[in-house]
Amino acid sequence: DVKVTQSSRYLVKRTGEKVFLECVQDMDHENMFWYRQDPGLGLRLIYFSYDVKMKEKGDIPEGYSVSREKKERFSLILESASTNQTSMYLCASSPLRGQGLYEQYFGPGTRLTVT
Amino acid sequence: AQTVTQSQPEMSVQEAETVTLSCTYDTSESDYYLFWYKQPPSRQMILVIRQEAYKQQNATENRFSVNFQKAAKSFSLKISDSQLGDAAMYFCAYRRYQGGSEKLVFGKGTKLTVNP
Repeated sequence: DVKVTQSSRYLVKRTGEKVFLECVQDMDHENMFWYRQDPGLGLRLIYFSYDVKMKEKGDIPEGYSVSREKKERFSLILESASTNQTSMYLCASSPLRGQGLYEQYFGPGTRLTVT
Repeated sequence: AQTVTQSQPEMSVQEAETVTLSCTYDTSESDYYLFWYKQPPSRQMILVIRQEAYKQQNATENRFSVNFQKAAKSFSLKISDSQLGDAAMYFCAYRRYQGGSEKLVFGKGTKLTVNP
């Protein structure tokens, strides 16, 4: 089974702190994604990566950055956390385009509270 | 821009009954993929069912089936013989490729309650 893990289920940080959210997948997937989930807004794409050291902005990249130094690991960074970044963060991975009708596999999520 | 609309923020169904969740999308593409994902309370999001746009036959997975109307840009999910474990948030999603990138666009979700 594909497994996507996230470093923390719950996280509480203070305004202005630098925050790292880690995601690891064990299926050698090329694509990895970071989403933010808010009630009434669904899932919104923050950043994605289709290869090591490659990244592309999603729909709401402001205030976030990412890092992908190894294929299995994709990190989301909040350089200076703000209260409006309090949310559920979901990581996902998927195999490369062309490898059949594939799906995105999701991690359990990290609920981040910024106070 | 591609958008996905789920017009029912909440739905409820009696155990063993059938319920249909609606989803419409907007696209100018002819080749794309559609998905329904399920997110149980405090649990991971998992794929329920998927549909390729070029296939006219509606996808089916056990008690879950879709009604795909390409011309109407409609992709509804039907759950038959509803079970308590079907209670969850359900998200409709559209995926397409642009250049070397893919994007998954989600609707805002429908919260399904199953009443015993």
